[in-house]
Amino acid sequence: GAVVSQHPSWVICKSGTSVKIECRSLDFQATTMFWYRQFPKQSLMLMATSNEGSKATYEQGVEKDKFLINHASLTLSTLTVTSAHPEDSSFYICSARGFSGRENYGYTFGSGTRLTVV
Amino acid sequence: KQEVTQIPAALSVPEGENLVLNCSFTDSAIYNLQWFRQDPGKGLTSLLLIQSSQREQTSGRLNASLDKSSGRSTLYIAASQPGDSATYLCAVNLGYGQNFVFGPGTRLSVLP
Repeated sequence: GAVVSQHPSWVICKSGTSVKIECRSLDFQATTMFWYRQFPKQSLMLMATSNEGSKATYEQGVEKDKFLINHASLTLSTLTVTSAHPEDSSFYICSARGFSGRENYGYTFGSGTRLTVV
Repeated sequence: KQEVTQIPAALSVPEGENLVLNCSFTDSAIYNLQWFRQDPGKGLTSLLLIQSSQREQTSGRLNASLDKSSGRSTLYIAASQPGDSATYLCAVNLGYGQNFVFGPGTRLSVLP
């Protein structure tokens, strides 16, 4: 089955630094990647949608200059949290939609990254 | 704008009980609905996917139903076990290739 490998699974960083989160599709081509975040005791909220080779589309209220998304290849998408602050501490998870040959792989979720900014 | 709600927010039951989790959504124009399980600090495990044309799906002790016209879905868990303790998320897919809108989840505790 389709697998999305998300790294790191957890990270602690100092305020003001940048953190990069990677999502790799291991056995299919991820044409679309969705990035969600989940604050404590809240549900997952869509942050942005990226299609391979195109600029990401951000949801209202999500700063595109703070959350940089790169989807330059069909197997890798990255989310970089720039100048992280404690309020960015959250659980970030990606979801890939794609194909392998003629097979539609639907949606596959990564395992998530817990970011803590101190 | 699609909104998804889940009732109850939390549920604690003794082992062996059958239980029902409820999900409601405001816009019936959905592509499909999916139930997920999330363990503390972990990612999502897909449980059941119901296409908009379907009424229910079953997997083992789990049964999910969908009434698109009324904007409701239920997840039925039979003979609950302590290992079922987790947060259960309901999510609706807005269209082919589009994102999910998630509910806030139901936190389930099954006591031995």
